[in-house]
Amino acid sequence: EIVMTQSPATLSVSPGERATLSCRASQSVSSNLAWYQQKPGQAPRLLIYGASTRATGVPARFSGSGSGTEFTLTISSLQSEDFAVYYCQQYNNRWTFGQGTKVGIK
Amino acid sequence: EVQLVESGGGLVKPGKSLRLSCAASGFSFSSYSMNWVRQAAGKGLEWVSSISSSSSYIYYADSVKGRFTISRDNAKNSLFLQINSLRAEDTAVYYCALGEYSSPFDYWGQGTLVTVSS
Repeated sequence: EIVMTQSPATLSVSPGERATLSCRASQSVSSNLAWYQQKPGQAPRLLIYGASTRATGVPARFSGSGSGTEFTLTISSLQSEDFAVYYCQQYNNRWTFGQGTKVGIK
Repeated sequence: EVQLVESGGGLVKPGKSLRLSCAASGFSFSSYSMNWVRQAAGKGLEWVSSISSSSSYIYYADSVKGRFTISRDNAKNSLFLQINSLRAEDTAVYYCALGEYSSPFDYWGQGTLVTVSS
């Protein structure tokens, strides 16, 4: 099983600031990496797939990068609606998720 | 508009069984693989099972293999998850999600809560 490790577990950011979230795979997943956003009481929402392609309707302030085993999600200027938990997911070999990064208000 | 609506959750005693359902609409259900993902309270997401469009390919996470059975009824646009020998650690919100093999999960339902407790 491919293990996904996200860091940090918690990130405190002020509105308008940049947030950088990391995700590492235990073995190469090529570019088969997605990012999801989950708000309390809601289902996850697909943000990024193919490591760097934004899903339909996702604002341009969200960007993804990386390949192989190291990936990054960047939120360029945090808005109030962006405070949430973010999960990475590999789909190169079945599916596994990282443990999540909670982005909170500083 | 894609809609996925789960049902069938509830409070169940350990060792009992439960069948979860997911009603799909807004897309050609019979053309897509479907999945179940669960999330324990305050925890992360765990992929549980996947089924291909024609039910030819079925996959399970090791943690549920032998106790969970995924199935679908394309005529009724419905996905199912049969859970047997329920354990306390199966307590979670169960989501159905649309996504092909080697693809992310594009759409998710709102989930159904399964609580296993005596």
